[in-house]
Amino acid sequence: GQNIDQPTEMTATEGAIVQINCTYQTSGFNGLFWYQQHAGEAPTFLSYNVLDGLEEKGRFSSFLSRSKGYSYLLLKELQMKDSASYLCAVMDSNYQLIWGAGTKLIIKP
Amino acid sequence: EAGVAQSPRYKIIEKRQSVAFWCNPISGHATLYWYQQILGQGPKLLIQFQNNGVVDDSQLPKDRFSAERLKGVDSTLKIQPAKLEDSAVYLCASSYGNTGELFFGEGSRLTVL
Repeated sequence: GQNIDQPTEMTATEGAIVQINCTYQTSGFNGLFWYQQHAGEAPTFLSYNVLDGLEEKGRFSSFLSRSKGYSYLLLKELQMKDSASYLCAVMDSNYQLIWGAGTKLIIKP
Repeated sequence: EAGVAQSPRYKIIEKRQSVAFWCNPISGHATLYWYQQILGQGPKLLIQFQNNGVVDDSQLPKDRFSAERLKGVDSTLKIQPAKLEDSAVYLCASSYGNTGELFFGEGSRLTVL
């Protein structure tokens, strides 16, 4: 079966750095996506990785290792507004998105 | 550019009643998705349309759920009859192609009593 694993919840301090991990087992691979979802709102696209390595976009970076079936989302200089759930999704060989359950990130002052 | 529009935002019904949700995707987006999201879980794909054709409806409970996108633009998702376990947020999303970069509407929160 296809599976995406990510921690259920993480806590971090304002101004700090946090890394949210995602491991996956899917039928084929056509890219990995990270979405942010604030409570009561819809998910919004954050990043896309299809090749190994690090993609940086401002305070957010996303890393991919296809051989290990592993990705992480790195958030720097955390702000209170970063409190949200972060969803990892993988596009499989049929170009269907397989979604993880999300990681709820709690930022403390 | 206008985003994905959904209505209603909230709906409360009794079990065994019916409900319909409407979605208007971003102009020019050929791919439209309906997802069900239960609190604390990731989105679950119910149905994916490419223009007015169905790409994937393998997880749609077809005995009670139906969806259509007749003119390849807006779409309607219907539940009849509703069960308690259908209480969830129904998210509509669209994309230009099958790129994985989805644009979501605000969602329709359904409570079945």
